[in-house]
Amino acid sequence: DTGVSQDPRHKITKRGQNVTFRCDPISEHNRLYWYRQTLGQGPEFLTYFQNEAQLEKSRLLSDRFSAERPKGSFSTLEIQRTEQGDSAMYLCASSFPVTTGEQYFGPGTRLTVT
Amino acid sequence: ILNVEQSPQSLHVQEGDSTNFTCSFPSSNFYALHWYRWETAKSPEALFVMTLNGDEKKKGRISATLNTKEGYSYLYIKGSQPEDSATYLCAFTSQETSGSRLTFGEGTQLTVNP
Repeated sequence: DTGVSQDPRHKITKRGQNVTFRCDPISEHNRLYWYRQTLGQGPEFLTYFQNEAQLEKSRLLSDRFSAERPKGSFSTLEIQRTEQGDSAMYLCASSFPVTTGEQYFGPGTRLTVT
Repeated sequence: ILNVEQSPQSLHVQEGDSTNFTCSFPSSNFYALHWYRWETAKSPEALFVMTLNGDEKKKGRISATLNTKEGYSYLYIKGSQPEDSATYLCAFTSQETSGSRLTFGEGTQLTVNP
């Protein structure tokens, strides 16, 4: 499978715990994006990388959130001290840095904070 | 704040019916308009990327049009089939971000009854 993959697909955690998600983009793509979708809403942009550089972060990305892409390939998104409001689907996407910027999405990680 | 709005929120049609959805977006600073189909438990799938006013794209029974001057796009499905059941998302990118971040609408949830 040469698409975008995410791990885990589902995560249930207790409030206050830290969680980390992984995204493996399509290998030729040097841009990688994180989005979050809550129930009844469209996905919302969190951050994106070009190679290993984090070029943009949304105001949604509070201090408890951190994303890395250390070698310009896979990326991790960590949430510290999870809150119930963090429950959402976390989507990763990748693309070439071309003008139309078509983004290819993974299946997402569903986080439930109890 | 960029507002992307989609209507209707949900739609139930019978197999064989043709249907259409609307996406409205800011007409200033337009860069590109994306349509995605998202089936439950799968990755969002890119349908179309449109950049020019008057663009029309077609893929099988699905087509889309774009009006950047008035800020709207239509997605049409001809002869709906049960496998078309999914959430259809549109997303806007602006010149300010050179097409990097996608701003999504809330989606139209389509159910096609056999």
